[in-house]
Amino acid sequence: SAVISQKPSRDICQRGTSLTIQCQVDSQVTMMFWYRQQPGQSLTLIATANQGSEATYESGFVIDKFPISRPNLTFSTLTVSNMSPEDSSIYLCSVVDGGSETQYFGPGTRLLVL
Amino acid sequence: QKEVEQNSGPLSVPEGAIASLNCTYSDRGSQSFFWYRQYSGKSPELIMSIYSNGDKEDGRFTAQLNKASQYVSLLIRDSQPSDSATYLCAVWNYGGSQGNLIFGKGTKLSVKP
Repeated sequence: SAVISQKPSRDICQRGTSLTIQCQVDSQVTMMFWYRQQPGQSLTLIATANQGSEATYESGFVIDKFPISRPNLTFSTLTVSNMSPEDSSIYLCSVVDGGSETQYFGPGTRLLVL
Repeated sequence: QKEVEQNSGPLSVPEGAIASLNCTYSDRGSQSFFWYRQYSGKSPELIMSIYSNGDKEDGRFTAQLNKASQYVSLLIRDSQPSDSATYLCAVWNYGGSQGNLIFGKGTKLSVKP
Protein backbone atom coordinates (compact mmCIF):
# COMPACT_ATOMS: atom_id res chain seq x y z
CA SER A 1 0.00 0.00 0.00
CA ALA A 2 1.00 3.61 -0.52
CA VAL A 3 2.94 5.37 2.24
CA ILE A 4 1.35 8.71 3.11
CA SER A 5 2.90 11.53 5.10
CA GLN A 6 1.34 14.74 6.31
CA LYS A 7 2.85 17.98 7.53
CA PRO A 8 2.47 19.43 10.06
CA SER A 9 1.47 16.62 12.39
CA ARG A 10 -0.10 19.11 14.77
CA ASP A 11 -0.44 22.83 15.22
CA ILE A 12 -1.99 25.43 17.50
CA CYS A 13 -3.27 28.48 15.64
CA GLN A 14 -4.94 31.76 16.43
CA ARG A 15 -8.42 32.49 15.15
CA GLY A 16 -8.52 34.41 11.90
CA THR A 17 -5.30 32.89 10.57
CA SER A 18 -4.86 30.19 7.91
CA LEU A 19 -2.97 26.90 7.92
CA THR A 20 -1.85 24.84 4.95
CA ILE A 21 -1.56 21.09 5.40
CA GLN A 22 0.58 19.05 3.03
CA CYS A 23 0.02 15.45 1.97
CA GLN A 24 2.78 13.50 0.22
CA VAL A 25 2.43 9.98 -1.17
CA ASP A 26 5.37 7.75 -2.10
CA SER A 27 3.73 6.62 -5.35
CA GLN A 28 1.32 7.96 -7.92
CA VAL A 29 -2.30 7.46 -6.87
CA THR A 30 -5.52 7.85 -8.77
CA MET A 31 -7.58 9.57 -6.09
CA MET A 32 -6.82 11.76 -3.10
CA PHE A 33 -9.31 12.89 -0.49
CA TRP A 34 -9.37 15.21 2.47
CA TYR A 35 -11.38 14.30 5.58
CA ARG A 36 -12.13 16.01 8.86
CA GLN A 37 -12.66 14.19 12.12
CA GLN A 38 -13.97 16.31 14.95
CA PRO A 39 -13.44 15.13 18.53
CA GLY A 40 -15.39 11.97 19.24
CA GLN A 41 -16.90 11.91 15.77
CA SER A 42 -16.52 9.84 12.65
CA LEU A 43 -14.91 10.90 9.41
CA THR A 44 -16.46 13.60 7.24
CA LEU A 45 -15.34 13.97 3.65
CA ILE A 46 -14.36 17.55 2.82
CA ALA A 47 -13.44 17.14 -0.84
CA THR A 48 -11.87 15.03 -3.54
CA ALA A 49 -8.60 16.55 -4.73
CA ASN A 50 -8.47 16.39 -8.51
CA GLN A 51 -5.13 16.49 -10.29
CA GLY A 52 -4.84 19.56 -12.47
CA SER A 53 -8.36 20.84 -11.81
CA GLU A 54 -10.54 22.26 -9.07
CA ALA A 55 -11.40 20.00 -6.15
CA THR A 56 -14.87 18.52 -5.78
CA TYR A 57 -16.37 19.67 -2.49
CA GLU A 58 -18.99 17.90 -0.39
CA SER A 59 -22.09 19.63 0.85
CA GLY A 60 -21.25 22.09 3.59
CA PHE A 61 -17.67 22.70 2.47
CA VAL A 62 -16.63 25.55 0.16
CA ILE A 63 -13.49 26.42 -1.72
CA ASP A 64 -13.06 29.81 -0.04
CA LYS A 65 -12.82 28.15 3.36
CA PHE A 66 -10.90 25.01 2.33
CA PRO A 67 -8.88 25.68 -0.82
CA ILE A 68 -7.20 22.54 -2.13
CA SER A 69 -4.40 22.05 -4.59
CA ARG A 70 -3.20 18.91 -6.32
CA PRO A 71 -0.42 19.76 -8.73
CA ASN A 72 0.54 16.13 -9.44
CA LEU A 73 -0.36 12.51 -8.64
CA THR A 74 1.66 12.35 -5.40
CA PHE A 75 1.01 15.64 -3.61
CA SER A 76 -1.89 17.74 -2.34
CA THR A 77 -2.46 20.62 0.05
CA LEU A 78 -5.48 21.64 2.09
CA THR A 79 -5.70 25.15 3.51
CA VAL A 80 -8.00 25.92 6.42
CA SER A 81 -8.73 29.63 6.00
CA ASN A 82 -9.84 32.28 8.47
CA MET A 83 -9.89 29.72 11.25
CA SER A 84 -12.26 29.68 14.19
CA PRO A 85 -12.29 27.37 17.25
CA GLU A 86 -14.91 25.25 15.44
CA ASP A 87 -12.20 24.24 12.95
CA SER A 88 -10.31 22.42 15.71
CA SER A 89 -10.18 18.92 14.39
CA ILE A 90 -8.03 16.21 12.90
CA TYR A 91 -7.55 16.61 9.15
CA LEU A 92 -6.76 13.43 7.25
CA CYS A 93 -5.42 12.88 3.77
CA SER A 94 -6.54 9.66 2.14
CA VAL A 95 -5.66 7.96 -1.15
CA VAL A 96 -6.95 5.21 -3.37
CA ASP A 97 -4.12 3.04 -4.59
CA GLY A 98 -4.18 1.79 -8.16
CA GLY A 99 -7.40 0.50 -9.64
CA SER A 100 -8.95 -0.68 -6.39
CA GLU A 101 -11.48 1.07 -4.20
CA THR A 102 -9.33 0.56 -1.11
CA GLN A 103 -8.54 3.76 0.74
CA TYR A 104 -5.54 4.36 2.96
CA PHE A 105 -5.12 7.19 5.40
CA GLY A 106 -2.26 9.44 6.31
CA PRO A 107 -1.33 9.99 9.97
CA GLY A 108 -3.45 13.13 10.24
CA THR A 109 -2.89 16.74 11.27
CA ARG A 110 -4.21 17.70 14.68
CA LEU A 111 -5.32 21.32 14.66
CA LEU A 112 -6.28 23.39 17.67
CA VAL A 113 -7.62 26.88 17.07
CA LEU A 114 -7.62 29.28 20.02
CA GLN B 1 -28.81 10.41 1.32
CA LYS B 2 -26.73 7.24 1.39
CA GLU B 3 -26.10 6.11 4.94
CA VAL B 4 -24.04 3.61 6.90
CA GLU B 5 -25.31 2.77 10.37
CA GLN B 6 -23.41 1.28 13.28
CA ASN B 7 -24.15 0.80 16.94
CA SER B 8 -21.89 3.33 18.65
CA GLY B 9 -21.37 1.11 21.68
CA PRO B 10 -19.33 0.91 23.72
CA LEU B 11 -19.21 -2.83 23.23
CA SER B 12 -17.43 -4.55 26.08
CA VAL B 13 -16.23 -8.15 25.86
CA PRO B 14 -13.91 -10.22 28.06
CA GLU B 15 -10.51 -11.25 26.79
CA GLY B 16 -10.73 -14.42 24.70
CA ALA B 17 -14.36 -13.90 23.72
CA ILE B 18 -15.79 -13.22 20.27
CA ALA B 19 -16.58 -9.59 19.52
CA SER B 20 -19.35 -9.03 16.97
CA LEU B 21 -19.61 -5.67 15.22
CA ASN B 22 -22.53 -4.89 12.96
CA CYS B 23 -23.24 -2.43 10.17
CA THR B 24 -26.15 -1.73 7.84
CA TYR B 25 -26.16 0.39 4.71
CA SER B 26 -28.88 2.13 2.75
CA ASP B 27 -27.75 1.87 -0.89
CA ARG B 28 -28.84 -1.49 -2.27
CA GLY B 29 -26.46 -1.06 -5.21
CA SER B 30 -23.34 -0.98 -3.03
CA GLN B 31 -20.67 -3.49 -4.00
CA SER B 32 -17.58 -2.83 -1.87
CA PHE B 33 -17.37 -2.87 1.90
CA PHE B 34 -14.55 -2.18 4.33
CA TRP B 35 -13.73 -2.36 8.01
CA TYR B 36 -11.23 0.07 9.53
CA ARG B 37 -9.78 0.09 13.03
CA GLN B 38 -8.93 3.39 14.70
CA TYR B 39 -6.98 3.58 17.91
CA SER B 40 -7.44 6.71 20.00
CA GLY B 41 -5.36 9.53 18.59
CA LYS B 42 -4.43 7.59 15.46
CA SER B 43 -5.70 7.49 11.88
CA PRO B 44 -7.90 4.66 10.57
CA GLU B 45 -6.18 1.52 9.34
CA LEU B 46 -7.76 -0.97 6.97
CA ILE B 47 -8.54 -4.39 8.46
CA MET B 48 -10.74 -6.12 5.91
CA SER B 49 -12.47 -5.61 2.62
CA ILE B 50 -15.33 -7.76 1.33
CA TYR B 51 -17.13 -7.73 -1.99
CA SER B 52 -19.11 -11.00 -2.20
CA ASN B 53 -21.87 -12.46 -0.06
CA GLY B 54 -20.65 -14.81 2.63
CA ASP B 55 -17.68 -14.89 4.93
CA LYS B 56 -14.10 -13.76 4.46
CA GLU B 57 -11.54 -14.75 7.05
CA ASP B 58 -8.16 -13.19 7.83
CA GLY B 59 -6.51 -14.47 10.96
CA ARG B 60 -8.73 -13.71 13.95
CA PHE B 61 -10.99 -11.48 11.84
CA THR B 62 -14.00 -12.60 9.81
CA ALA B 63 -16.07 -10.23 7.71
CA GLN B 64 -19.59 -11.29 6.77
CA LEU B 65 -21.68 -9.76 4.00
CA ASN B 66 -25.37 -10.22 3.23
CA LYS B 67 -26.35 -7.94 0.36
CA ALA B 68 -30.02 -9.00 0.46
CA SER B 69 -30.25 -7.75 4.04
CA GLN B 70 -27.82 -4.86 3.40
CA TYR B 71 -25.80 -6.02 6.35
CA VAL B 72 -22.07 -6.30 7.02
CA SER B 73 -20.46 -7.61 10.17
CA LEU B 74 -17.00 -8.12 11.62
CA LEU B 75 -16.22 -10.91 14.05
CA ILE B 76 -13.08 -10.82 16.14
CA ARG B 77 -12.22 -14.19 17.66
CA ASP B 78 -10.08 -14.61 20.77
CA SER B 79 -10.39 -10.88 21.49
CA GLN B 80 -7.33 -9.25 23.03
CA PRO B 81 -7.01 -6.00 25.01
CA SER B 82 -5.00 -4.69 22.04
CA ASP B 83 -8.18 -4.97 19.95
CA SER B 84 -9.73 -2.18 22.03
CA ALA B 85 -10.40 0.56 19.48
CA THR B 86 -13.14 2.14 17.41
CA TYR B 87 -14.17 0.07 14.40
CA LEU B 88 -15.46 1.93 11.37
CA CYS B 89 -17.63 0.34 8.71
CA ALA B 90 -17.31 1.93 5.27
CA VAL B 91 -19.13 1.45 1.98
CA TRP B 92 -17.88 2.59 -1.41
CA ASN B 93 -20.18 5.20 -2.98
CA TYR B 94 -20.15 5.31 -6.76
CA GLY B 95 -21.67 8.80 -6.89
CA GLY B 96 -19.85 12.08 -7.41
CA SER B 97 -16.93 12.62 -9.76
CA GLN B 98 -15.03 9.43 -8.97
CA GLY B 99 -16.63 7.81 -5.96
CA ASN B 100 -15.65 7.82 -2.32
CA LEU B 101 -16.14 5.93 0.95
CA ILE B 102 -19.08 6.60 3.21
CA PHE B 103 -18.28 5.86 6.85
CA GLY B 104 -20.45 4.84 9.75
CA LYS B 105 -19.99 6.61 13.06
CA GLY B 106 -17.99 3.70 14.43
CA THR B 107 -18.39 1.19 17.25
CA LYS B 108 -16.10 1.53 20.24
CA LEU B 109 -14.87 -1.87 21.41
CA SER B 110 -13.38 -2.48 24.83
CA VAL B 111 -11.75 -5.84 25.60
CA LYS B 112 -11.38 -6.41 29.32
CA PRO B 113 -8.44 -8.50 30.60
